[in-house]
Amino acid sequence: EDQVTQSPEALRLQEGESSSLNCSYTVSGLRGLFWYRQDPGKGPEFLFTLYSAGEEKEKERLKATLTKKESFLHITAPKPEDSATYLCAVRPEMDSSYKLIFGSGTRLLVRP
Amino acid sequence: DTGVSQNPRHKITKRGQNVTFRCDPISEHNRLYWYRQTLGQGPEFLTYFQNEAQLEKSRLLSDRFSAERPKGSFSTLEIQRTEQGDSAMYLCASSSGQIYGYTFGSGTRLTVV
Repeated sequence: EDQVTQSPEALRLQEGESSSLNCSYTVSGLRGLFWYRQDPGKGPEFLFTLYSAGEEKEKERLKATLTKKESFLHITAPKPEDSATYLCAVRPEMDSSYKLIFGSGTRLLVRP
Repeated sequence: DTGVSQNPRHKITKRGQNVTFRCDPISEHNRLYWYRQTLGQGPEFLTYFQNEAQLEKSRLLSDRFSAERPKGSFSTLEIQRTEQGDSAMYLCASSSGQIYGYTFGSGTRLTVV
């Protein structure tokens, strides 16, 4: 069964304290791995898509990497405005509907 | 284009009542998705449209749920005889291809009392 597991469930950082979020996945062939940011009461906001092991994408203080079994979202020198829930999702290769399978997310709190 | 629009933003209903939500996708997007999200969980797939055709439905979508996308434009999700377990955030998303991630709307939060 296709599955996505994110860790930790919650993470508290001091402003400027870099860290990484983990997304482990089990899927019958990977068509793409997606990272989203979700603020309270809002829909997820697209951040990155990764397609193959070794690929990296960057956006401001965020950098996403991908291996054959997991992805990391590295946050460098975070600011309080980076506080949000970060969701990881995969699209199985054999699925024709383009649906995504999401993890439960990591709730990030960055304190000033 | 203002993105994916969902209405209403919040809905409180009594158990047993019917509710309908609306989603207006980005105009040039031909694919539309409905997801459900409960507190502390990631979104779960409900159903998928390509243009006006509903091509896939999740097992989560019981007989009380129905979705339509007339003329391949906006979509509606109806829940009949609501139950307390239906309380959740209902998210709509749209896309035009497989390369980029979806664009999600802000969701409709349903509370069944």
